[in-house]
Amino acid sequence: EDQVTQSPEALRLQEGESSSLNCSYTVSGLRGLFWYRQDPGKGPEFLFTLYSAGEEKEKERLKATLTKKESFLHITAPKPEDSATYLCAVQAPGRRALTFGSGTRLQVQP
Amino acid sequence: DAGVIQSPRHEVTEMGQEVTLRCKPISGHNSLFWYRQTMMRGLELLIYFNNNVPIDDSGMPEDRFSAKMPNASFSTLKIQPSEPRDSAVYFCASNRRIRDRGFTGELFFGEGSRLTVL
Repeated sequence: EDQVTQSPEALRLQEGESSSLNCSYTVSGLRGLFWYRQDPGKGPEFLFTLYSAGEEKEKERLKATLTKKESFLHITAPKPEDSATYLCAVQAPGRRALTFGSGTRLQVQP
Repeated sequence: DAGVIQSPRHEVTEMGQEVTLRCKPISGHNSLFWYRQTMMRGLELLIYFNNNVPIDDSGMPEDRFSAKMPNASFSTLKIQPSEPRDSAVYFCASNRRIRDRGFTGELFFGEGSRLTVL
């Protein structure tokens, strides 16, 4: 069974204080690993797809990296508008649906 | 594009009542997913459709839950009878096949239907 574990559950940063969120996964033959952002009262919004170990993707202050067992979402010099829940998900071969982790709630204080 | 549209946004009902949640996927998307989100269990897949056909309903909790997709632009999730433990936010999402890449994991989610069963 596919499993996705995210840590920490919650993270509070000061504006400008860089950090990383972790996503550990267990899946037979990873087809893709995905990061989503979810704001309160909204549906998740797609951020990145990573397909193979060593791959990196960047978007503004966010950078996602992937190894064979985990992914990291690095947040550089965060701003209050980066406050959200960040969800990690995996896709196994032959499955179109994603298995999500429980998320990391990020709060960036000014 | 208007995005994935779900209704109602909020539903409060009493135990035993029938609940119907509705979803309109993005035009041109041919896969549709129903997820449920709770604090305890996070986002869980209930069922997904491809070209209006149910492909995987292994996440549907029990016979009280049913989902239909009569055409490419509409899907329903029905709970009958509803129970307090069904209280959650129900999300609908859609995606499409990209030429030469197949289906990607980029799901487009609606804003969800928050269900409270008293």
